[in-house]
Amino acid sequence: EPEVTQTPSHQVTQMGQEVILRCVPISNHLYFYWYRQILGQKVEFLVSFYNNEISEKSEIFDDQFSVERPDGSNFTLKIRSTKLEDSAMYFCASRVHTDTQYFGPGTRLTVL
Amino acid sequence: GQQLNQSPQSMFIQEGEDVSMNCTSSSIFNTWLWYKQDPGEGPVLLIALYKAGELTSNGRLTAQFGITRKDSFLNISASIPSDVGIYFCAGYNFNKFYFGSGTKLNVKP
Repeated sequence: EPEVTQTPSHQVTQMGQEVILRCVPISNHLYFYWYRQILGQKVEFLVSFYNNEISEKSEIFDDQFSVERPDGSNFTLKIRSTKLEDSAMYFCASRVHTDTQYFGPGTRLTVL
Repeated sequence: GQQLNQSPQSMFIQEGEDVSMNCTSSSIFNTWLWYKQDPGEGPVLLIALYKAGELTSNGRLTAQFGITRKDSFLNISASIPSDVGIYFCAGYNFNKFYFGSGTKLNVKP
C-alpha cells in the first residue's frame, strides 16, 4: 500500500541553524501539508500546498518557514533559523481530491 | 481558527469494555476524520465521514457524523490492549484540517 515517507526520522540542530525536512507524498496525490506537534499536544496545521503554490498557511508559518516541491516527488519544509520552540514532531500529509489525507511517520526535530 | 473540543481527555478501561469519545465544534465541517496515533509515530486514519448523519464502521470501530455537522462520535467495542494510543478527531473545511486535542486511551488486560 502506498504511503507517505519522511526523512530524517530525527534531526538535531543548534539554535539559529537552518534545517530542511523532507517528505515524499503518495505519488498520485495533489495536495500536500505540513503539520507540527509539540510533545504532548495536538497536531497543528502549518501549511497546505497545491499546484506548486501555498494555498493556506497558519499563523505559526511565519517568514522563517518555507516549502518547496523541487521535483515531481519531494516536498520540503525549511526552517531558516531554528529556535528552541521549534522543537517538535513535524508531519507531512497528502491527499488526492477527497478530503481524506494520509500522514507520514514524522520527523522529530530537536533544537539545542 | 476553528476550535475542536474533544472529550474525554483520557480514559482507563478494562479489556473487553466499550469506549466512546466525541468531538464538538462551534463551526460546521464538511468532513470529519478520526485518527489514532501511537507514541513517536504519525497519525493513522481510522475512519472518514463525508455526510451529515453518516454512520460508518471499520471493524470494532464505529463513527458518526453529527446531524448538525458540528460534532462527531467514535465508539470502540470490545477493547483490546492494542487499542492503546491517542485518538484524534479532525474536521475539514476550505483546504484546512483542524485537530482535536486527543483522547488518550489506556486498556488494562
